[in-house]
Amino acid sequence: GNSVTQMEGPVTLSEEAFLTINCTYTATGYPSLFWYVQYPGEGLQLLLKATKADDKGSNKGFEATYRKETTSFHLEKGSVQVSDSAVYFCALRTNTGNQFYFGTGTSLTVIP
Amino acid sequence: ETGVTQTPRHLVMGMTNKKSLKCEQHLGHNAMYWYKQSAKKPLELMFVYSLEERVENNSVPSRFSPECPNSSHLFLHLHTLQPEDSALYLCASSLKARDGTGELFFGEGSRLTVL
Repeated sequence: GNSVTQMEGPVTLSEEAFLTINCTYTATGYPSLFWYVQYPGEGLQLLLKATKADDKGSNKGFEATYRKETTSFHLEKGSVQVSDSAVYFCALRTNTGNQFYFGTGTSLTVIP
Repeated sequence: ETGVTQTPRHLVMGMTNKKSLKCEQHLGHNAMYWYKQSAKKPLELMFVYSLEERVENNSVPSRFSPECPNSSHLFLHLHTLQPEDSALYLCASSLKARDGTGELFFGEGSRLTVL
């Protein structure tokens, strides 16, 4: 079946620290992979995506590389800011339908 | 502004009330979704409408009834809800592309409280 597993939170970092949030997936076929971010009181927003193996998605200093050999899509940022405090969701979409599969979300708090 | 608008943003209702949540998308997408987000639980897909076809999560109680009159509008009708139905209800849309690469666009959610 299709599923996404991401690291448990919460994660607390100091400003300017390096961030990694792990995400691994199980999927049939060739899925597209996504990271979404949810700020307090809001819906989910697309942060970045990758649609094929070895693609790197990037946005706002965040990056993630689609690794088919390890079935992973880890989110990284070199220097986090207080404004990055949010919940981050890893997700996949199979190439055969409209179904999206989400991880459980990882809460990030960045302290000054 | 994501192009997906949900109303109302907040709703408080009693267990005997009937209310509806509304979602509208201005993105030209052809698939719309309802998700339920509860505290400390994974995002739960409730319903998907695409090209006049409906897919539903069999675990969703019948007190939730979706309606999709056209590709731009989606409703969730609520009837005799329970306090455990209190949650953030998220609407989303996507383009059903042949290669399956399109992303979901979410609305800001309707926060429902059942008393």
